[in-house]
Parts: sequence; C-alpha cells; structure tokens
Amino acid sequence: GENVEQHPSTLSVQEGDSAVIKCTYSDSASNYFPWYKQELGKGPQLIIDIRSNVGEKKDQRIAVTLNKTAKHFSLHITETQPEDSAVYFCAASIGNNDMRFGAGTRLTVKP
Amino acid sequence: GAVVSQHPSRVICKSGTSVKIECRSLDFQATTMFWYRQFPKKSLMLMATSNEGSKATYEQGVEKDKFLINHASLTLSTLTVTSAHPEDSSFYICSAPPPGLTDTQYFGPGTRLTVL
Repeated sequence: GENVEQHPSTLSVQEGDSAVIKCTYSDSASNYFPWYKQELGKGPQLIIDIRSNVGEKKDQRIAVTLNKTAKHFSLHITETQPEDSAVYFCAASIGNNDMRFGAGTRLTVKP
Repeated sequence: GAVVSQHPSRVICKSGTSVKIECRSLDFQATTMFWYRQFPKKSLMLMATSNEGSKATYEQGVEKDKFLINHASLTLSTLTVTSAHPEDSSFYICSAPPPGLTDTQYFGPGTRLTVL
C-alpha cells in the first residue's frame, strides 16, 4: 500500500521567513495530494491540494509543487505569520478516498 | 462550502460505558464518510469507511464489535465506542468527500474522548 513520509517533524521559523515541508510517496498510482493544517484541538483543514496533472499550484502565500518522477511534493509558505503556527499534514491518494497521511510537521512561527 | 460537524466536541465517560459520536454533513449529502483516530502528536489513522445503507468497512486491526458504525442517512454517520476503556481515550475525527470531488475529504472538528 501507499506509504507517505513527511519531513521535518518540527520546523521553527521567524515571522516573515519562508517555510518548506516535504513529503514523499511510494505508490506511483497516487494522483491526488492534499495538504491539511490542524490547530490544537481541532480537525484538519484543507489548505491546498494538487493533482498529478499539474506540477505547481499557488494560493496567495501558500504553494505546492509536485515531482511525479521523484514521487515527492512540497508545501511552501511565504511571509509566514504567527497564525500559520500549527501542525501540517500531507497526504496521498489514488483518487478513491484511500488517503494516507504523513506523520505531520509542527510549524512554529516566532514573532 | 462543504461543512462537516461532529457532536459532542468532547466527552468524558466511565470505563465500561458506551459513547456515541455523531458526524453530520451540513450542506451536502455524503454516501461515504470516514472515521479516523488520532493520538496526541500523531498522525491520523483511518479506522473505517462508513457507507450509507450498508455495512462499514473496517481497517485491519480495528475491532468492528468495539467501534460500531451506522450510516443511516445521507447526512449522518455515528461511531459508537462500546464498553469503553481508558486505552480508547483519543481524538476521533470524521470526514466526508464534498459533492463532485470523490478524492477530497473535508474533516469535522473532532471529538475528544476521555475514558476514566
């Protein structure tokens, strides 16, 4: 089955700096890659996703890149703000809702 | 947008009792919903897929008699933790795919279960 690895497990940046979180997946059939933000005591919130027919997608300060050949995808957050502090999860799916999650990255943005 | 709610948000119960958690899709119908369990500082672990009008599909290692799932309508799935024990204490989260996007999942706010 699909195996998703996520790095780093923790990331601390200064406000205004960029943050990058990377994930790799094992199943070449995976074609949908969402990113979720989870704040303490809350459910995960979908913040951006990408499908395998595109290499990059951007939404304001966040962007996701996908390298299908290398089977890795990354989340980029620019101009980080303290409210970006949360746990971020990547996931991979072959499109049938069999979604596998990475272990999560705890991002801390220091003011 | 598609909204998924859960009730209750947190529950404390005594060991040996049963607890029911509700998951509702508020503005859309969901023939499929998913139940996850999350331990502190850990990732989400899929427990089961809830199918409207039919039996749930459980992941390997998840006891179907312990975690009863009922998906009686297109907007409601329930998870009942039967004869709860302290090791069942966890954060339980449900999700559902929004209309037209079968590969996407929107999550509920989660239910914190504490078994004393």
